[in-house]
Amino acid sequence: GENVEQHPSTLSVQEGDSAVIKCTYSDSASNYFPWYKQELGKRPQLIIDIRSNVGEKKDQRIAVTLNKTAKHFSLHITETQPEDSAVYFCAANPGGNQFYFGTGTSLTVIP
Amino acid sequence: GAVVSQHPSWVICKSGTSVKIECRSLDFQATTMFWYRQFPKQSLMLMATSNEGSKATYEQGVEKDKFLINHASLTLSTLTVTSAHPEDSSFYICSARTASFGEQFFGPGTRLTVL
Repeated sequence: GENVEQHPSTLSVQEGDSAVIKCTYSDSASNYFPWYKQELGKRPQLIIDIRSNVGEKKDQRIAVTLNKTAKHFSLHITETQPEDSAVYFCAANPGGNQFYFGTGTSLTVIP
Repeated sequence: GAVVSQHPSWVICKSGTSVKIECRSLDFQATTMFWYRQFPKQSLMLMATSNEGSKATYEQGVEKDKFLINHASLTLSTLTVTSAHPEDSSFYICSARTASFGEQFFGPGTRLTVL
């Protein structure tokens, strides 16, 4: 089955700096890669996603890049703000209903 | 976006009792619902996948007699933790997906504490 690895597990950045979180996957059949943000005690919320026919997608301060050959995808947050502090999860979907989640990255933005 | 609700949001029960958690899709029909378990500061662990009207598919290591899942309609799935014990204490999150969308919509989660 699919195996998703996520790094780093914790990340601290100064407000205004950029944050990058990386994930790798093993199943070349995976074709949908969502990113979720989860605040403490709350539900995961989809913040951006990318499909395998696209190499990059951007939504304001958030961007995701996908390298199908290397089987990795990354989340980029620019101009970080304290409210970006949360746990971020990547996931890979090799079609069907199976979603495989990364282990999460705890992001802290220091004011 | 689509809304998924869960009830209750927090439940405390005595060891040996059973607890039912409901997951509802409020404004869409969910052909597939997922149940996850999440320990503090850890990732989401998929427990089972359920499709409306059929038996749930459980992940390896998840006891189907312990965690009963019923997906009776396109808007409701229930998870019953039978004879709960302290080690079952966790945050349980459901999510729903339609055939039309790629993403999952998560419920707010249910925190179960077994004394």
